[in-house]
Amino acid sequence: QSALTQPRSVSGSPGQSVTISCTGTSTDVGGYDYVSWYQQHPGKAPKVMIYDVTLRPSGVPDRFSGSKSGNTASLTISGLQAEDEADYYCCSHAGSYSHWVFGGGTKLTVL
Amino acid sequence: EVQLVESGGGLVQPGGSLRLSCAASGFTFSHYEMNWVRQAPGKGLEWVSYISRSGDNRDYADPVKGRFTISRDNAKNSLHLQMNSLRAEDTAVYYCARERSTSGFDFWGPGTLVAVSS
Repeated sequence: QSALTQPRSVSGSPGQSVTISCTGTSTDVGGYDYVSWYQQHPGKAPKVMIYDVTLRPSGVPDRFSGSKSGNTASLTISGLQAEDEADYYCCSHAGSYSHWVFGGGTKLTVL
Repeated sequence: EVQLVESGGGLVQPGGSLRLSCAASGFTFSHYEMNWVRQAPGKGLEWVSYISRSGDNRDYADPVKGRFTISRDNAKNSLHLQMNSLRAEDTAVYYCARERSTSGFDFWGPGTLVAVSS
């Protein structure tokens, strides 16, 4: 099972919006509505920001939103803040073959 | 408060073995599926292994199949990963992660570092 494809880096200025894409196949992203997104600051454990494609855990700002179209999922962060600067990973259920598959990660820089 | 705390990491020679543990607290451990996820230095996250609530069903990523064994002790609220025939490419921080059914991972431990080197 190959890793999901994410851009290596994205950037934006405070207050702007950025979107991170996550492309898989019909056996993972396209086959299930079980895409989640994780934020990871340096030296810290990942933190779930979005699950089931669009749902936000309690405590996650509504500036974070998720969507999916076909084999590509997306994470949009609006109203960028300095503390949003981190690595972001998508993850999808991959059925019985590989259970879970992660994206390669995207480094978000807030300019 | 949900807590997951990994232990057992360290430096091991290629071909060696190590057993990781994850102590869970703050929730009914037997009600949740559990996973191990790793992250090599400077690299991305990689799913390693899954275990069902009862422990009857287990799944492994291809790179570790046949070398790693996941297990759990619901009476002791603990998760384990037995790692044999370790290779340099197994060097990583290993995270214990609680699975929210098929919705991904809702809680993670702080991780434990495994370094495989001679």
